[in-house]
Amino acid sequence: DVKVTQSSRYLVKRTGEKVFLECVQDMDHENMFWYRQDPGLGLRLIYFSYDVKMKEKGDIPEGYSVSREKKERFSLILESASTNQTSMYLCASSSVAAGAARETQYFGPGTRLLVL
Amino acid sequence: AQSVTQLDSQVPVFEEAPVELRCNYSSSVSVYLFWYVQYPNQGLQLLLKYLSGSTLVKGINGFEAEFNKSQTSFHLRKPSVHISDTAEYFCAVSERGGGADGLTFGKGTHLIIQP
Repeated sequence: DVKVTQSSRYLVKRTGEKVFLECVQDMDHENMFWYRQDPGLGLRLIYFSYDVKMKEKGDIPEGYSVSREKKERFSLILESASTNQTSMYLCASSSVAAGAARETQYFGPGTRLLVL
Repeated sequence: AQSVTQLDSQVPVFEEAPVELRCNYSSSVSVYLFWYVQYPNQGLQLLLKYLSGSTLVKGINGFEAEFNKSQTSFHLRKPSVHISDTAEYFCAVSERGGGADGLTFGKGTHLIIQP
């Protein structure tokens, strides 16, 4: 089974702190994604990466950055956390290979971040 | 750019009754379509997907969906629901394949099963 893990389930930070959210996948997937989920808004794409050291902006990249130094790990960074970044953050990964898993994104359990 | 509309934010249904969760999309090109389910305090799990071929797609847990290109819809159905189906359901679309780019999600439909 594909496994996507996120470093924390719950996180509480103060305004202005630098925050790191870590995501690791164990299926050698090329693509990795960060979304935020807010009630009534669904999931929105923040950043994605299709290879090591490569990154692409999603729909709402402002206030965030990412790092992908190794294929299995994709980090989301909040340089200076603000209260409007309080949200659920979901990481996902997918493979470019053909087969039953084609075009399927696999999600981690999420990190619920509260910024005070 | 593509967009997804889930017409109902909540759908209450009695146990063992049929259910349909509605999803409409807009896009200027061909799309791939997905339904994901999120159980409380968990991540998202793929229910089913339409990439090509037969417009009736069967997924896990007895769910199915039908792609209707003329109506730009991808409604999710189950003939008989169970308490365990209580969850948030998300419809999603990708223009070039969710495997390569991110997905665009609808706002979700909360399915509430009443005993």
